Amino acid sequence: DSGVTQTPKHLITATGQRVTLRCSPRSGDLSVYWYQQSLDQGLQFLIQYYNGEERAKGNILERFSAQQFPDLHSELNLSSLELGDSALYFCASSFGTGPFSPLHFGNGTRLTVT
Amino acid sequence: DQQVKQNSPSLSVQEGRISILNCDYTNSMFDYFLWYKKYPAEGPTFLISISSIKDKNEDGRFTVFLNKSAKHLSLHIVPSQPGDSAVYFCAASARSGGSNYKLTFGKGTLLTVNP
Repeated sequence: DSGVTQTPKHLITATGQRVTLRCSPRSGDLSVYWYQQSLDQGLQFLIQYYNGEERAKGNILERFSAQQFPDLHSELNLSSLELGDSALYFCASSFGTGPFSPLHFGNGTRLTVT
Repeated sequence: DQQVKQNSPSLSVQEGRISILNCDYTNSMFDYFLWYKKYPAEGPTFLISISSIKDKNEDGRFTVFLNKSAKHLSLHIVPSQPGDSAVYFCAASARSGGSNYKLTFGKGTLLTVNP
């Protein structure tokens, strides 16, 4: 158990809809990261927050947004969903932002867009 | 443009033998490398790491080797056990601004250890 909690585990929705994925980081961790894993793709970095502030952006679409709340939990909002957004979305947390702070991953949310 | 490449999608070895998983990278700014292991229906878990100032790091049955000139790293598992069967992700870290580092993952290699 990594200590990172992601909800829901599975989500099935239709094209054009909007969903929210939620992540509670490991106790004491200040950084939260969101990754997308599509079929045949590695883990694609989306966005990172540290103690409530956005720290880095990766290949995140404009239709996607995220935030980290004062209690350090984070939400990833995906809107105007397309079939290609179907993927596993992982949240990870770490204490710091440096390379010596390994990421601890949740078990992911599997999003299916129909 | 994939900066971290794991060219073998899968690898199969016999229990007790050595497993060697390979990873190549293109970005010279990467200065820290990690391996993560992922079981089905779970998130990746950190396995072992190596700094660019070293060429080898060992932790029990797991050893990571880094060849900076070749931009290549490998993970050796000796002896391999059936419980090692999982997807292994290679990841590389580079400073992305201030004290922040960005982690880039490869696509993963599925290791199957046969009893």
